[in-house]
Amino acid sequence: AQKVTQAQTEISVVEKEDVTLDCVYETRDTTYYLFWYKQPPSGELVFLIRRNSFDEQNEISGRYSWNFQKSTSSFNFTITASQVVDSAVYFCALSGGLSGGYNKLIFGAGTRLAVHP
Amino acid sequence: GAVVSQHPSWVICKSGTSVKIECRSLDFQATTMFWYRQFPKQSLMLMATSNEGSKATYEQGVEKDKFLINHASLTLSTLTVTSAHPEDSSFYICSASGESYGYTFGSGTRLTVV
Repeated sequence: AQKVTQAQTEISVVEKEDVTLDCVYETRDTTYYLFWYKQPPSGELVFLIRRNSFDEQNEISGRYSWNFQKSTSSFNFTITASQVVDSAVYFCALSGGLSGGYNKLIFGAGTRLAVHP
Repeated sequence: GAVVSQHPSWVICKSGTSVKIECRSLDFQATTMFWYRQFPKQSLMLMATSNEGSKATYEQGVEKDKFLINHASLTLSTLTVTSAHPEDSSFYICSASGESYGYTFGSGTRLTVV
């Protein structure tokens, strides 16, 4: 069975602090995809990144960076120099291999990040 | 980029009535549609998966007669909550997949049953 665990329920930081959101996943698929989404109070899901299981390169996009480690089944997300606008719920998600169709996306419980001025 | 339009964004209905939520893929063909439900301060729980022209596959514990899903075309899927009750109040969100666009989410529908 597939499972995504985000152990941190809530994180509170002060602006400009760096913060890392943890994500651990379980799957028996050899091909799979990992995602991070941001959900602001308005509710819509904002896509942040997709990474396939064969690409373990770390990714950096502005203040955001992701560390994918298959050895520990983790896909952690770091925000550098956090800002108040980063306050939201962040979800890590997993889907199985895309063999002729799109498999369901399984979400972790989410981490609520509060960045205070 | 890929866009999915979801309507209505919010709806209030009386207990016992039915509510229809629509999701349209505006610039791509959605071969697969996923419907999720999210209760306050909880994660997104998959309710069902539908492929265009086929019956939806429901997750365990989701009543198919209560949550009717129709995916009759490659650009439109609907979720009808039949005989809604206050416990059905939730945030419903669709996700469309097709071509090379991965998963594109609608903006969600906040349903309140009074």
